[in-house]
Amino acid sequence: EDQVTQSPEALRLQEGESSSLNCSYTVSGLRGLFWYRQDPGKGPEFLFTLYSAGEEKEKERLKATLTKKESFLHITAPKPEDSATYLCAVHGDSSYKLIFGSGTRLLVRP
Amino acid sequence: DGGITQSPKYLFRKEGQNVTLSCEQNLNHDAMYWYRQDPGQGLRLIYYSQIVNDFQKGDIAEGYSVSREKKESFPLTVTSAQKNPTAFYLCASSSARGGSETQYFGPGTRLLVL
Repeated sequence: EDQVTQSPEALRLQEGESSSLNCSYTVSGLRGLFWYRQDPGKGPEFLFTLYSAGEEKEKERLKATLTKKESFLHITAPKPEDSATYLCAVHGDSSYKLIFGSGTRLLVRP
Repeated sequence: DGGITQSPKYLFRKEGQNVTLSCEQNLNHDAMYWYRQDPGQGLRLIYYSQIVNDFQKGDIAEGYSVSREKKESFPLTVTSAQKNPTAFYLCASSSARGGSETQYFGPGTRLLVL
């Protein structure tokens, strides 16, 4: 069964303190791994799609990487406006749907 | 601007009442989806549609119904059979049918029971 686990559940950082969020997945035939940002009371905002191990993508202070078992979302020198819940999802060969993790709640303090 | 709109932002349901959530997209996407989000849980798929006049049940379809009469619209009805409807409902769309194209989300509708 396809599965996604995100860790940690919550993360508190000081402004400028770099860190990483983890997304571990089990899927038969990865067709895509997706990262989203979600602010309270709003819909998820698309960040990145990764398709194969070794692939990396960057956007401002965020960088997503992918291996055969997990993905990391690296946040470099975060700012308070980076505070949000970050969601990871996978799409595998055996299913028509995205499987979402429960998310990591990030709080960046000034 | 292209995007997905959902209305209303908040919706209140009385016991025994059916309510309908609206989802419209102007991205020219073929596929549309409805998810339910509960606190501390991942998004769960209710229904999806890959083409007009066709839709399939997701993981938690009981107590819900949908229609897809137009490419741009995918309304969700929460029926009285759904005993625990309080949740945040998200509509999404993508350009691929069953592929791995990115799903884009609307702003959501929060449903509360009176």
